[in-house]
Amino acid sequence: NAGVTQTPKFQVLKTGQSMTLQCAQDMNHEYMSWYRQDPGMGLRLIHYSVGAGITDQGEVPNGYNVSRSTTEDFPLRLLSAAPSQTSVYFCASSYSYGGAEAFFGQGTRLTVV
Amino acid sequence: KQEVTQIPAALSVPEGENLVLNCSFTDSAIYNLQWFRQDPGKGLTSLLLIQSSQREQTSGRLNASLDKSSGRSTLYIAASQPGDSATYLCAVSIEYGNKLVFGAGTILRVKS
Repeated sequence: NAGVTQTPKFQVLKTGQSMTLQCAQDMNHEYMSWYRQDPGMGLRLIHYSVGAGITDQGEVPNGYNVSRSTTEDFPLRLLSAAPSQTSVYFCASSYSYGGAEAFFGQGTRLTVV
Repeated sequence: KQEVTQIPAALSVPEGENLVLNCSFTDSAIYNLQWFRQDPGKGLTSLLLIQSSQREQTSGRLNASLDKSSGRSTLYIAASQPGDSATYLCAVSIEYGNKLVFGAGTILRVKS
């Protein structure tokens, strides 16, 4: 059972480049979300989706774009990478009812130089 | 705005000690509280999930309690082992659909 799979695990970008972080889940979860983790700050919500075709912004959405064309996949796009986007990115999924357990991927460590 | 605080930020104990990690949140309108473990360079592993209607959950040497009215949760680890060394994160679910607000974590080191 794969759970939540993120690719790549590591990435180095130059300022201004764009890229897509991939996230896939095989648990038929409606709710998917992206977080970033910075030292001393815990995880912060970037974007989330409650189902295919429905996305919304979280706490720190600027510089990121998402779409949800299928239940399984929820890619995160960096439009023009900046050093401030150096972080560890986590994708999570759960059923959409309040109180559902959240499952996380292994993370993508991104460095923007 | 919901804020989650974890105390202490770091903790170092000798093997075998019982220990308590604390988590507090500012708004009692939560759906659940989840404790996670994170090893260096790794993802988050769910340890315990407490629904808002529950008072505690137990798994092996771990016991988590929830006092929603006072905005507090504790994670109790019995007979700590070096393998328990990790960062422990708590998170509260604040909306239908499962938005999570995280604390900054407690870094635990258990010395052998």
